[in-house]
Amino acid sequence: QSVLTQPPSASGTPGQRVTISCSGGSSNIGSNYVYWYQQLPGAAPKLLIYRNNERPSGVPDRFSGSKSGTSASLVISGLRSGDEANYYCAAWDDSRNSPGVFGGGTKLTVL
Amino acid sequence: EVQLVESGGGLVQPGGSLRLSCSASGLTFSSHAMQWVRQAPGKGLEYVSAISNNGGSTYYADSVKDRITISRDNSKNTVNLQMNSLTTEDTAVYYCAGRDSIWYTGPPFYWGQGTLVTVFS
Repeated sequence: QSVLTQPPSASGTPGQRVTISCSGGSSNIGSNYVYWYQQLPGAAPKLLIYRNNERPSGVPDRFSGSKSGTSASLVISGLRSGDEANYYCAAWDDSRNSPGVFGGGTKLTVL
Repeated sequence: EVQLVESGGGLVQPGGSLRLSCSASGLTFSSHAMQWVRQAPGKGLEYVSAISNNGGSTYYADSVKDRITISRDNSKNTVNLQMNSLTTEDTAVYYCAGRDSIWYTGPPFYWGQGTLVTVFS
């Protein structure tokens, strides 16, 4: 049972806009930055979004992040077949003596 | 470009030991906290251990406490994970990850490609 809750799956067709949600609490998302990662099949996680809505260099602006209260969202616009992957949210949780918490991951399927 | 390259994974029997290493380049290593994150087959991501930029603060997950030691050598740009008394529950891909901060609290910014640890009986 992950501290951050994500839907286990999401899907869309090429060109569509897809939203993946991440729900937490006041000690994690509510008071700290949210990060998002993309994990392609057989590959390591890759940073997509940091500090709620910032994109590292090289990440297309089709990927965007937002946060409101104790929830966060990752939006993928202009969906492509290459976006099929697992997506994880993460945040620091200041009620725990740990580096942070991860969501359970969302498997995105491009139909 | 930042690169984190892990090594040291492999096959080991229950009760055995392994030492994972991560070599970093492309960043001022002594300014970054480092973390180890593992992913069991078909599962999600789990923090295993972390260390601040100067090694003064460390973290161990309850599941590995007393069996694992994290260390770093800023002169060699490396971080290590000594794993003892391994069990089948430790079977996973182990990722070296770097923070964009001197503190280990918070999600990582950089990731290595991972090294597979398989504990088999």
